[in-house]
Amino acid sequence: SQQGEEDPQALSIQEGENATMNCSYKTSINNLQWYRQNSGRGLVHLILIRSNEREKHSGRLRVTLDTSKKSSSLLITASRAADTASYFCATRGGSGGSNYKLTFGKGTLLTVNP
Amino acid sequence: DTEVTQTPKHLVMGMTNKKSLKCEQHMGHRAMYWYKQKAKKPPELMFVYSYEKLSINESVPSRFSPECPNSSLLNLHLHALQPEDSALYLCASSLLGLAGGLYEQYFGPGTRLTVT
Repeated sequence: SQQGEEDPQALSIQEGENATMNCSYKTSINNLQWYRQNSGRGLVHLILIRSNEREKHSGRLRVTLDTSKKSSSLLITASRAADTASYFCATRGGSGGSNYKLTFGKGTLLTVNP
Repeated sequence: DTEVTQTPKHLVMGMTNKKSLKCEQHMGHRAMYWYKQKAKKPPELMFVYSYEKLSINESVPSRFSPECPNSSLLNLHLHALQPEDSALYLCASSLLGLAGGLYEQYFGPGTRLTVT
């Protein structure tokens, strides 16, 4: 079963605007990761946030994590047409064999219009 | 070198064919993964190898047979596939730590498989 659920499923914005995507998950995690996938290509790791962290930044990306609400958000500031892609959150399990298993949410398709 | 390579990029095969997908990384990662991704869906884990041993099989049908001949290579052998197996097959690798699973995964570009 899928661990993460992204919201919204699709988002269309103009270049220069900010884009916010949300992810909810169901069970305990030790970290949460965000990935980007351009159409028909492999996934690219964007950022990893550990369960004891609340916020993390990387360039134009800002990720928050609220473990009490089992949710995370990804903010892309000053979006560019090249940011057009699908964005997935992914979580790992707590211990044992599940640590090696990365479960992806359904993804948000972001379209940035020039 | 932070690249995961996959060959071939595209593969069309009949239901009676036998083919193999190949994946290679030279980052020293000791965990390697196969995922299957259908259009407009997230990747679904199929297999995980850690230290060249199969550690997770997500109840994948036996017509998919993984192999990890060494720490840099990962194969997926395909036999008697069905049209519904048509998908993008992604390989990934990651570090393994004492705590396991704390590291990001590096993905290859995928093999687009069509079963006719």
